[in-house]
Amino acid sequence: SQELEQSPQSLIVQEGKNLTINCTSSKTLYGLYWYKQKYGEGLIFLMMLQKGGEEKSHEKITAKLDEKKQQSSLHITASQPSHAGIYLCGGNGSGNTGKLIFGQGTTLQVKP
Amino acid sequence: GAVVSQHPSWVICKSGTSVKIECRSLDFQATTMFWYRQFPKQSLMLMATSNEGSKATYEQGVEKDKFLINHASLTLSTLTVTSAHPEDSSFYICSARGGLAKNIQYFGAGTRLSVL
Repeated sequence: SQELEQSPQSLIVQEGKNLTINCTSSKTLYGLYWYKQKYGEGLIFLMMLQKGGEEKSHEKITAKLDEKKQQSSLHITASQPSHAGIYLCGGNGSGNTGKLIFGQGTTLQVKP
Repeated sequence: GAVVSQHPSWVICKSGTSVKIECRSLDFQATTMFWYRQFPKQSLMLMATSNEGSKATYEQGVEKDKFLINHASLTLSTLTVTSAHPEDSSFYICSARGGLAKNIQYFGAGTRLSVL
């Protein structure tokens, strides 16, 4: 079965610093999704990557998917306290069924 | 972005009772809805996939008679936890996809279920 591994599991950074979260799949992905969750709340959609080598940016967050479509990174530039939360990558490895397998999440704390 | 509403956000019930959770897509028609379960400080586990007008597809290990899913319309899916027990206490989250951004799942805010 497919698995998604995220690293690091948790991260504490000083406000203003850059950071990167990684997501590795055991199988080639049809699509890779990044979400953000505040503890005890729902998930907020950040970005979707479907093509090998694809890169997308929104405000200070950039997500990339490697050519083999098995590895993705989420990079935050000049982090702010509002970036704090749990970042989850979700992968769709079985065509367009829509079923997502999620990584275990990365908890980000940003110190003011 | 698309809005998915989930209700209630928190429910406490006695052991043996049934609880219904609603998931609505507010501004798009959801051809597919998904139900997840999340344990404290853990990731989401897919329970079932439901398409409007057809029976839900359950993931391995999920009891379909325990977790009844109904997707009666393109904007509403319900999850009923029947004869709930303390081990069913968890955070349940729904998601929906459809409309213009058909490949993206939009999530509800989740329902925290506590069974006493």
